[in-house]
Amino acid sequence: AQSVAQPEDQVNVAEGNPLTVKCTYSVSGNPYLFWYVQYPNRGLQFLLKYITGDNLVKGSYGFEAEFNKSQTSFHLKKPSALVSDSALYFCAVRDSGYSSASKIIFGSGTRLSIRP
Amino acid sequence: SAVISQKPSRDICQRGTSLTIQCQVDSQVTMMFWYRQQPGQSLTLIATANQGSEATYESGFVIDKFPISRPNLTFSTLTVSNMSPEDSSIYLCSVVTGGSSEAFFGQGTRLTVV
Repeated sequence: AQSVAQPEDQVNVAEGNPLTVKCTYSVSGNPYLFWYVQYPNRGLQFLLKYITGDNLVKGSYGFEAEFNKSQTSFHLKKPSALVSDSALYFCAVRDSGYSSASKIIFGSGTRLSIRP
Repeated sequence: SAVISQKPSRDICQRGTSLTIQCQVDSQVTMMFWYRQQPGQSLTLIATANQGSEATYESGFVIDKFPISRPNLTFSTLTVSNMSPEDSSIYLCSVVTGGSSEAFFGQGTRLTVV
């Protein structure tokens, strides 16, 4: 069975500093990995994904994530945080590739707080 | 991508009653997924809905409590039956389209059971 872990409930960063939100995963096959963001009283927004290829993937709002197969990690990063980045971030994984029948499992979420 | 509309956006219901949540997608999709999310918490998958067949439920969720309909490739409903305060949550509809690998989500239905 697939699973995903986000070890930090909250990450606090000063505006302008780099940020990292951690994620590790477990799947039996090849992982398809995703990051989503949720702003207060809003639905989930897709940020970026890793399917194959370059281990560093770039997404919306200046975010990027690095896939590390040996460490089974997919940490979310941004070189310079903005106050507007403050939100709830979810890492997610699929185990069966492009089959739309495969379900997506979400991590517990990390609340990112950027102080001015 | 896909645009997903959920109705109602929120509701306050009496315990013991049932609420049906509708999910409409702007394109045909094979699978729809229903999730539950406590505010500020993670998403828990309730079931996967395939057009033309019975929904597949995750551990801890049963059809009698959460019946799902999937009459066509663009529409699904989730009913929360015989509600109790513990059912208060946000219910989210999600789809994966044939041309993408990521899921797209509706805005959710915020349910409060009193």
